[in-house]
Amino acid sequence: GAVVSQHPSRVICKSGTSVKIECRSLDFQATTMFWYRQFPKKSLMLMATSNEGSKATYEQGVEKDKFLINHASLTLSTLTVTSAHPEDSSFYICSARDQESYGYTFGSGTRLTVV
Amino acid sequence: SQKIEQNSEALNIQEGKTATLTCNYTNYSPAYLQWYRQDPGRGPVFLLLIRENEKEKRKERLKVTFDTTLKQSLFHITASQPADSATYLCALWGTGNQFYFGTGTSLTVIP
Repeated sequence: GAVVSQHPSRVICKSGTSVKIECRSLDFQATTMFWYRQFPKKSLMLMATSNEGSKATYEQGVEKDKFLINHASLTLSTLTVTSAHPEDSSFYICSARDQESYGYTFGSGTRLTVV
Repeated sequence: SQKIEQNSEALNIQEGKTATLTCNYTNYSPAYLQWYRQDPGRGPVFLLLIRENEKEKRKERLKVTFDTTLKQSLFHITASQPADSATYLCALWGTGNQFYFGTGTSLTVIP
């Protein structure tokens, strides 16, 4: 089945630095990928929709300059958290659609801790 | 906007019993609804999709029902096992071309 690889799985960074998270579709092409954020015991909240070759679509309240998304190829989307602050600490998950099953395949997530 | 409620934050059942999880939604009529499993520190894993014209869908020990009149989906795990312990999320495709997820139900199957 479809596999989405997300890297890194955990990252700790200092306040003010930037962190890049990669999301790759391993055995299929994904023209669209989605980035979510999840707080403890809360549901997934869509941050943005990443479109290959064009600008990402951000959800209301998500800062575009804070969360930079690049979808340069059909198999790779990246999320860069710029000038990270402790309140950016969260679990970030990407996903892409599996055309065969209509389900969405999720990456394994990235636990970001900003200290 | 769409609202999804999974009315049990946590559910404990004995091994071998049937677990039933509930997902209710308002303010929308989705064309389909999905269920996912999420283990701690991991991304959700797709389990089942059920369309609005389907009353019931089965996959091995899993069964999902979809009542568009009640705006409710039920997710059943029969002959539950400790390995079924996880958080289960329902999701519907709503306006704005995105998925809306419930907050999940944490299921614990007690040996």
